[in-house]
Amino acid sequence: DTEVTQTPKHLVMGMTNKKSLKCEQHMGHRAMYWYKQKAKKPPELMFVYSYEKLSINESVPSRFSPECPNSSLLNLHLHALQPEDSALYLCASSPQRGSDTDTQYFGPGTRLTVL
Amino acid sequence: AQKITQTQPGMFVQEKEAVTLDCTYDTSDQSYGLFWYKQPSSGEMIFLIYQGSYDEQNATEGRYSLNFQKARKSANLVISASQLGDSAMYFCAMREGYGSGSARQLTFGSGTQLTVLP
Repeated sequence: DTEVTQTPKHLVMGMTNKKSLKCEQHMGHRAMYWYKQKAKKPPELMFVYSYEKLSINESVPSRFSPECPNSSLLNLHLHALQPEDSALYLCASSPQRGSDTDTQYFGPGTRLTVL
Repeated sequence: AQKITQTQPGMFVQEKEAVTLDCTYDTSDQSYGLFWYKQPSSGEMIFLIYQGSYDEQNATEGRYSLNFQKARKSANLVISASQLGDSAMYFCAMREGYGSGSARQLTFGSGTQLTVLP
């Protein structure tokens, strides 16, 4: 089973709203990732959690706030977003074992529209 | 300099024919991994195939095979017997530091939009 789930599938929010994106995996993976993807472009890494600790933050604005409550769950809290933040947000997880290929498996994504 | 280059923004192939999607990479690491992902219009990134830098055999997964030419730094994806459902964006990606035990980011190419014609 290589399933990563994300909720919601679609989200429309105003610039003053606060919302959260949720990602879940039950594969025992120890690394989880948030990506942002604009249309017809490759995904851009935002955050990486390794063993529930934030290990990479790619200079993402503070209006995006990640949280990893446990090894299976990853949240992305959104506040005071701008219209240019409208994009597909992808979550991924990987086993993070030393001898592994450490393949990243992606969820279906959340399509975010900021009005 | 770009680390992953996909020179074909768009490709067309007739159903049931084979197609090759190009990918070249640039790294000074000895240990790295190369991945191909498929992204249909629905948005999900689907893992297709992996090649490690030390793997001597080309990777194969069903109708997908990876033509790995290490000296040329190329990792082309070959899809045999194309199907209409293969129409999607395809991304080549690289992770440097294979088997390092730490979470490493992927570097993606710009993608190739494949359209399979009936």
